[in-house]
Amino acid sequence: AQRVTQPEKLLSVFKGAPVELKCNYSYSGSPELFWYVQYSRQRLQLLLRHISRESIKGFTADLNKGETSFHLKKPFAQEEDSAMYYCALSPEASGGSYIPTFGRGTSLIVHP
Amino acid sequence: EAGVAQSPRYKIIEKRQSVAFWCNPISGHATLYWYQQILGQGPKLLIQFQNNGVVDDSQLPKDRFSAERLKGVDSTLKIQPAKLEDSAVYLCASSNLGESSKNIQYFGAGTRLSVL
Repeated sequence: AQRVTQPEKLLSVFKGAPVELKCNYSYSGSPELFWYVQYSRQRLQLLLRHISRESIKGFTADLNKGETSFHLKKPFAQEEDSAMYYCALSPEASGGSYIPTFGRGTSLIVHP
Repeated sequence: EAGVAQSPRYKIIEKRQSVAFWCNPISGHATLYWYQQILGQGPKLLIQFQNNGVVDDSQLPKDRFSAERLKGVDSTLKIQPAKLEDSAVYLCASSNLGESSKNIQYFGAGTRLSVL
């Protein structure tokens, strides 16, 4: 069965420090990986997806199939990055379905 | 574009009562998802529709939960009867079938259910 693991419930850093939010997954095929973010009092929204290979708000994430990881990184954290971050997996199509699985989330707090 | 709409935002009921949630996805989005998010956990998929057909409902507790999307647009999720452990935020999300974006989900604000 597919699984997404985010080992840290809480990550606390100071402004300007590097940030790495860990995500490991288990899936036998070729999944699509995402990071979703939920800012205070806002709805869950997409931050980035691995196939886009782009940097969003200074965040990047590289899919490492060997380590089955998709860690989210930012070299210099900002206070506005404080939010809940969820790693999610969508498996390759099986009969036309893409059944998504989310990790439990990591709360990032950036102190001034 | 208008986002995913959900109602109500909050609901408080007693155990064994019934409750229904409503979701209107983004216009044109064929796929609709219902998630249950218990405090401290990530969203857990309950049911996924594509148009008005069910793609997956393997994690839906069918003895008490039901969902429908009769016209392939808006959807309702019902719990009957509710249990204390159903207290959670119920999220609705939608996505379109375009090849470049079919796995990107757009979420509603959620309905926070408290079962007393």
